[in-house]
Amino acid sequence: GQNIDQPTEMTATEGAIVQINCTYQTSGFNGLFWYQQHAGEAPTFLSYNVLDGLEEKGRFSSFLSRSKGYSYLLLKELQMKDSASYLCAVRDLPPGTGTASKLTFGTGTRLQVTL
Amino acid sequence: DSGVTQTPKHLITATGQRVTLRCSPRSGDLSVYWYQQSLDQGLQFLIHYYNGEERAKGNILERFSAQQFPDLHSELNLSSLELGDSALYFCASTGLAVGEQFFGPGTRLTVL
Repeated sequence: GQNIDQPTEMTATEGAIVQINCTYQTSGFNGLFWYQQHAGEAPTFLSYNVLDGLEEKGRFSSFLSRSKGYSYLLLKELQMKDSASYLCAVRDLPPGTGTASKLTFGTGTRLQVTL
Repeated sequence: DSGVTQTPKHLITATGQRVTLRCSPRSGDLSVYWYQQSLDQGLQFLIHYYNGEERAKGNILERFSAQQFPDLHSELNLSSLELGDSALYFCASTGLAVGEQFFGPGTRLTVL
């Protein structure tokens, strides 16, 4: 099975930088995804890491260390609209399923951006 | 707009009833995933279909079933509904670049 841990809530100030951590335990690791979800809305894809290192995409960056089972999402120049839940999700390839894959989501980190 | 469509947007029904949720994946996507998200809960994977075949099952209750049709749309059937089944139900289809999932707007099910 898989186990994914994220902080439940975080608060940060507009214009600041915030780092949201995610730790995971899984077998057959095949990628880690970050999604943003505003309340009552669908999750939207932010970033993907499958190799160790940092992936940068505008104000958002994501880091992965496979040996440590650890990832973080870094949000820079925070804006009020960044107030949302951030979901860490791990993909595995269960044996015997060919190209089938499954995403397991953490419970999400609710980020509140304040003035 | 992710390109994934779901109907209906809202559904209110009574305990013991049966409902059908519908999902159409993005044009060209063969996979459909179903998720349940209860209040303050994470996304719980229910089931995955690929080109009409069931490929993976999560913690899906026996009262729930799904299928994917030749035109690739999918339906999730929920029967003998209980109060605890009230949740947002999302479907998603998979992009080809890195396999990221694109989510539909969801169906909010309320069981009274």
